[in-house]
Amino acid sequence: EAQVTQNPRYLITVTGKKLTVTCSQNMNHEYMSWYRQDPGLGLRQIYYSMNVEATDKGDVPEGYKVSRKEKRNFPLILESPSPNQTSLYFCASRGAPYNEQFFGPGTRLTVL
Amino acid sequence: AQSVTQLDSHVSVSEGTPVLLRCNYSSSYSPSLFWYVQHPNKGLQLLLKYTSAATLVKGINGFEAEFKKSETSFHLTKPSAHMSDAAEYFCVVSEDSGYALNFGKGTSLLVTP
Repeated sequence: EAQVTQNPRYLITVTGKKLTVTCSQNMNHEYMSWYRQDPGLGLRQIYYSMNVEATDKGDVPEGYKVSRKEKRNFPLILESPSPNQTSLYFCASRGAPYNEQFFGPGTRLTVL
Repeated sequence: AQSVTQLDSHVSVSEGTPVLLRCNYSSSYSPSLFWYVQHPNKGLQLLLKYTSAATLVKGINGFEAEFKKSETSFHLTKPSAHMSDAAEYFCVVSEDSGYALNFGKGTSLLVTP
Protein backbone atom coordinates (compact mmCIF):
# COMPACT_ATOMS: atom_id res chain seq x y z
CA GLU A 1 0.00 0.00 0.00
CA ALA A 2 1.30 3.43 -0.99
CA GLN A 3 1.73 5.47 2.13
CA VAL A 4 3.64 7.98 4.21
CA THR A 5 4.40 6.85 7.74
CA GLN A 6 5.42 8.94 10.72
CA ASN A 7 6.69 7.98 14.14
CA PRO A 8 5.91 8.57 16.85
CA ARG A 9 2.24 9.51 16.50
CA TYR A 10 2.15 11.15 19.90
CA LEU A 11 5.00 12.60 21.92
CA ILE A 12 5.19 14.53 25.16
CA THR A 13 8.59 15.93 26.03
CA VAL A 14 10.25 18.66 28.05
CA THR A 15 11.94 21.85 26.97
CA GLY A 16 15.44 21.33 25.64
CA LYS A 17 15.36 17.56 25.17
CA LYS A 18 16.35 16.75 21.61
CA LEU A 19 13.90 14.69 19.61
CA THR A 20 13.47 13.29 16.13
CA VAL A 21 10.24 12.56 14.28
CA THR A 22 10.74 10.07 11.49
CA CYS A 23 9.00 10.13 8.13
CA SER A 24 9.15 7.47 5.44
CA GLN A 25 7.40 7.04 2.08
CA ASN A 26 7.25 3.98 -0.15
CA MET A 27 6.24 5.68 -3.41
CA ASN A 28 9.72 6.61 -4.63
CA HIS A 29 8.74 10.28 -4.47
CA GLU A 30 11.44 12.86 -4.92
CA TYR A 31 9.71 15.70 -3.10
CA MET A 32 9.08 15.55 0.64
CA SER A 33 8.10 18.21 3.13
CA TRP A 34 7.15 18.89 6.74
CA TYR A 35 4.25 21.01 7.92
CA ARG A 36 2.96 22.10 11.24
CA GLN A 37 -0.72 22.67 11.89
CA ASP A 38 -1.94 25.11 14.50
CA PRO A 39 -5.55 26.15 15.19
CA GLY A 40 -6.68 28.95 12.94
CA LEU A 41 -3.44 28.98 10.94
CA GLY A 42 -3.89 26.04 8.58
CA LEU A 43 -0.75 24.14 7.62
CA ARG A 44 2.55 25.94 7.35
CA GLN A 45 5.57 24.47 5.68
CA ILE A 46 8.66 23.98 7.84
CA TYR A 47 11.19 22.43 5.45
CA TYR A 48 11.11 20.65 2.14
CA SER A 49 13.39 18.49 0.06
CA MET A 50 13.47 18.23 -3.70
CA ASN A 51 15.70 15.14 -3.64
CA VAL A 52 18.43 13.37 -1.69
CA GLU A 53 20.83 15.83 -0.08
CA ALA A 54 18.68 18.76 -1.27
CA THR A 55 16.74 20.50 1.48
CA ASP A 56 15.46 24.04 1.90
CA LYS A 57 13.57 26.21 4.35
CA GLY A 58 9.84 26.65 4.20
CA ASP A 59 7.84 29.38 5.89
CA VAL A 60 8.56 28.52 9.54
CA PRO A 61 11.98 26.79 9.76
CA GLU A 62 13.25 28.31 13.02
CA GLY A 63 14.03 25.68 15.66
CA TYR A 64 13.93 22.75 13.24
CA LYS A 65 16.41 20.73 11.22
CA VAL A 66 15.97 18.08 8.57
CA SER A 67 18.09 15.68 6.61
CA ARG A 68 17.58 13.68 3.43
CA LYS A 69 20.22 10.98 3.19
CA GLU A 70 17.91 8.49 1.51
CA LYS A 71 15.07 9.10 -0.89
CA ARG A 72 12.44 7.43 1.26
CA ASN A 73 13.27 9.07 4.62
CA PHE A 74 12.97 12.67 5.76
CA PRO A 75 13.34 13.03 9.54
CA LEU A 76 12.46 16.21 11.40
CA ILE A 77 14.83 17.13 14.22
CA LEU A 78 14.16 19.47 17.12
CA GLU A 79 17.54 20.10 18.74
CA SER A 80 16.15 22.05 21.69
CA PRO A 81 12.35 21.95 21.71
CA SER A 82 10.41 24.81 23.24
CA PRO A 83 6.73 25.06 24.23
CA ASN A 84 5.90 27.12 21.13
CA GLN A 85 6.73 24.05 19.06
CA THR A 86 3.78 22.22 20.57
CA SER A 87 1.80 21.41 17.47
CA LEU A 88 0.52 18.77 15.07
CA TYR A 89 3.13 17.84 12.50
CA PHE A 90 2.58 16.32 9.08
CA CYS A 91 5.05 14.84 6.67
CA ALA A 92 4.12 14.71 3.00
CA SER A 93 5.52 13.51 -0.29
CA ARG A 94 4.83 14.22 -3.94
CA GLY A 95 5.97 12.49 -7.07
CA ALA A 96 5.68 15.23 -9.64
CA PRO A 97 4.89 18.94 -9.83
CA TYR A 98 1.22 19.86 -9.53
CA ASN A 99 0.23 16.34 -8.51
CA GLU A 100 -1.47 15.25 -5.32
CA GLN A 101 0.61 15.47 -2.18
CA PHE A 102 0.31 12.44 0.11
CA PHE A 103 0.25 13.11 3.83
CA GLY A 104 1.31 11.03 6.77
CA PRO A 105 -1.07 10.48 9.70
CA GLY A 106 0.43 13.26 11.80
CA THR A 107 2.49 13.51 14.98
CA ARG A 108 1.04 15.36 17.91
CA LEU A 109 3.89 16.91 19.87
CA THR A 110 3.58 18.52 23.28
CA VAL A 111 6.58 20.35 24.74
CA LEU A 112 6.27 21.11 28.46
CA ALA B 1 3.70 33.87 -4.52
CA GLN B 2 0.40 32.09 -4.73
CA SER B 3 -2.01 32.27 -1.82
CA VAL B 4 -5.54 31.27 -0.94
CA THR B 5 -8.17 32.83 1.28
CA GLN B 6 -10.95 30.77 2.74
CA LEU B 7 -13.74 33.19 3.34
CA ASP B 8 -15.44 31.39 6.22
CA SER B 9 -13.72 29.85 9.22
CA HIS B 10 -16.90 28.00 10.23
CA VAL B 11 -19.90 26.85 8.21
CA SER B 12 -22.94 25.13 9.68
CA VAL B 13 -25.55 23.32 7.58
CA SER B 14 -28.39 20.93 8.22
CA GLU B 15 -28.14 17.37 7.02
CA GLY B 16 -29.55 17.09 3.51
CA THR B 17 -29.00 20.76 2.59
CA PRO B 18 -26.37 22.07 0.16
CA VAL B 19 -22.81 22.82 1.21
CA LEU B 20 -20.81 25.79 -0.04
CA LEU B 21 -17.26 26.40 1.15
CA ARG B 22 -15.68 29.46 -0.39
CA CYS B 23 -12.12 29.91 -1.53
CA ASN B 24 -10.42 32.73 -3.40
CA TYR B 25 -6.90 32.53 -4.70
CA SER B 26 -4.24 34.91 -5.90
CA SER B 27 -1.85 33.81 -8.59
CA SER B 28 0.15 35.33 -11.37
CA TYR B 29 -0.80 32.54 -13.74
CA SER B 30 -3.23 29.66 -13.96
CA PRO B 31 -2.62 27.76 -10.76
CA SER B 32 -3.14 24.19 -9.61
CA LEU B 33 -5.76 24.14 -6.88
CA PHE B 34 -6.80 21.45 -4.44
CA TRP B 35 -9.30 20.80 -1.71
CA TYR B 36 -8.25 18.58 1.16
CA VAL B 37 -10.41 17.30 4.00
CA GLN B 38 -9.32 16.48 7.53
CA HIS B 39 -11.64 14.50 9.75
CA PRO B 40 -11.16 14.80 13.52
CA ASN B 41 -7.90 13.25 14.66
CA LYS B 42 -7.11 12.11 11.13
CA GLY B 43 -4.64 13.06 8.43
CA LEU B 44 -5.42 14.98 5.26
CA GLN B 45 -7.22 13.40 2.33
CA LEU B 46 -7.44 14.83 -1.17
CA LEU B 47 -11.02 15.65 -2.19
CA LEU B 48 -10.33 16.99 -5.66
CA LYS B 49 -7.85 18.93 -7.75
CA TYR B 50 -7.85 21.38 -10.63
CA THR B 51 -4.90 21.37 -13.01
CA SER B 52 -6.09 23.42 -16.01
CA ALA B 53 -8.30 20.81 -17.59
CA ALA B 54 -12.09 21.03 -17.09
CA THR B 55 -13.13 23.98 -14.94
CA LEU B 56 -15.75 21.91 -13.10
CA VAL B 57 -13.95 19.30 -11.07
CA LYS B 58 -15.64 16.34 -9.47
CA GLY B 59 -14.17 14.77 -6.38
CA ILE B 60 -14.89 12.05 -3.92
CA ASN B 61 -17.99 11.74 -1.73
CA GLY B 62 -20.13 13.88 -4.03
CA PHE B 63 -18.08 17.06 -3.75
CA GLU B 64 -17.23 19.26 -6.68
CA ALA B 65 -15.57 22.59 -7.26
CA GLU B 66 -15.62 25.10 -10.07
CA PHE B 67 -12.58 27.07 -11.15
CA LYS B 68 -13.60 30.62 -12.11
CA LYS B 69 -10.64 32.57 -13.38
CA SER B 70 -12.57 35.85 -13.72
CA GLU B 71 -13.52 35.68 -10.05
CA THR B 72 -10.29 33.99 -8.87
CA SER B 73 -12.44 31.52 -6.99
CA PHE B 74 -12.49 27.79 -6.43
CA HIS B 75 -15.54 27.17 -4.25
CA LEU B 76 -16.35 23.68 -2.99
CA THR B 77 -19.94 22.46 -3.16
CA LYS B 78 -22.04 19.42 -2.42
CA PRO B 79 -25.76 19.16 -3.16
CA SER B 80 -26.73 17.38 0.05
CA ALA B 81 -24.73 17.31 3.27
CA HIS B 82 -24.24 14.13 5.21
CA MET B 83 -23.32 13.86 8.87
CA SER B 84 -20.04 12.24 7.88
CA ASP B 85 -19.05 15.42 6.00
CA ALA B 86 -18.37 17.20 9.28
CA ALA B 87 -14.66 17.98 9.12
CA GLU B 88 -12.06 20.66 8.43
CA TYR B 89 -11.63 21.61 4.78
CA PHE B 90 -8.56 23.21 3.29
CA CYS B 91 -8.25 25.03 0.00
CA VAL B 92 -4.71 24.75 -1.33
CA VAL B 93 -2.76 26.30 -4.19
CA SER B 94 0.41 24.95 -5.70
CA GLU B 95 3.46 27.20 -5.75
CA ASP B 96 5.23 28.22 -8.95
CA SER B 97 7.56 25.23 -8.75
CA GLY B 98 4.56 22.94 -8.71
CA TYR B 99 5.84 21.25 -5.59
CA ALA B 100 5.20 23.37 -2.53
CA LEU B 101 1.64 23.97 -1.37
CA ASN B 102 0.11 27.04 0.23
CA PHE B 103 -2.80 26.22 2.50
CA GLY B 104 -5.77 28.32 3.42
CA LYS B 105 -6.54 28.56 7.11
CA GLY B 106 -9.32 26.05 6.88
CA THR B 107 -13.11 25.98 7.12
CA SER B 108 -14.73 23.89 9.81
CA LEU B 109 -17.94 22.31 8.52
CA LEU B 110 -20.58 21.41 11.06
CA VAL B 111 -23.52 19.28 9.96
CA THR B 112 -26.56 19.25 12.23
CA PRO B 113 -29.33 16.64 12.20
